[in-house]
Amino acid sequence: KAGVTQTPRYLIKTRGQQVTLSCSPISGHRSVSWYQQTPGQGLQFLFEYFSETQRNKGNFPGRFSGRQFSNSRSEMNVSTLELGDSALYLCASSFQGNTEAFFGQGTRLTVV
Amino acid sequence: QKEVEQNSGPLSVPEGAIASLNCTYSDRGSQSFFWYRQYSGKSPELIMFIYSNGDKEDGRFTAQLNKASQYVSLLIRDSQPSDSATYLCAVINTGTASKLTFGTGTRLQVTL
Repeated sequence: KAGVTQTPRYLIKTRGQQVTLSCSPISGHRSVSWYQQTPGQGLQFLFEYFSETQRNKGNFPGRFSGRQFSNSRSEMNVSTLELGDSALYLCASSFQGNTEAFFGQGTRLTVV
Repeated sequence: QKEVEQNSGPLSVPEGAIASLNCTYSDRGSQSFFWYRQYSGKSPELIMFIYSNGDKEDGRFTAQLNKASQYVSLLIRDSQPSDSATYLCAVINTGTASKLTFGTGTRLQVTL
């Protein structure tokens, strides 16, 4: 059974640009959550999607957005990038959201 | 008060000893509890989950939950150098059923 796949693995962007990250969950999992991990803040919840609907949202500015497609794949978009957005972005997949969640390898975003 | 608290460590144990990692949480409505292992530069890997009071064993790992004391722990028996990593405690609260709230992690060092 394939795990959670995130693409791309690494990104370097310039301030002010936008970026889109992709996540393919484990087959059969309908919940996809996104997290930001930084050395200073640890793992912070961004949002969660289930059956194409955002069910939960963390305390991040509106520059951070996401969506989920009918095949449960999810994308996360960050607009007007800031230096502070440099982080490891992790996607987690679970069957229905309140059960075991499995992480992808992450996308390391560097904003210069 | 942080929602999920862990001692940052490092916790140093000799090879073959028992490592005991602790986590406290503030929300009495927390319903699901998880332990993740994260190696440097890698994504978190789920190693244990527990939903009910008591102990749950899986190989060398035992998770212990005490909801009355709002305390969850992870014991690693026969610690190996490959167990050296950061261990993250995460909880799901009833009110935000799909959101994992993480502690800052405990760094474990298993010495030869």
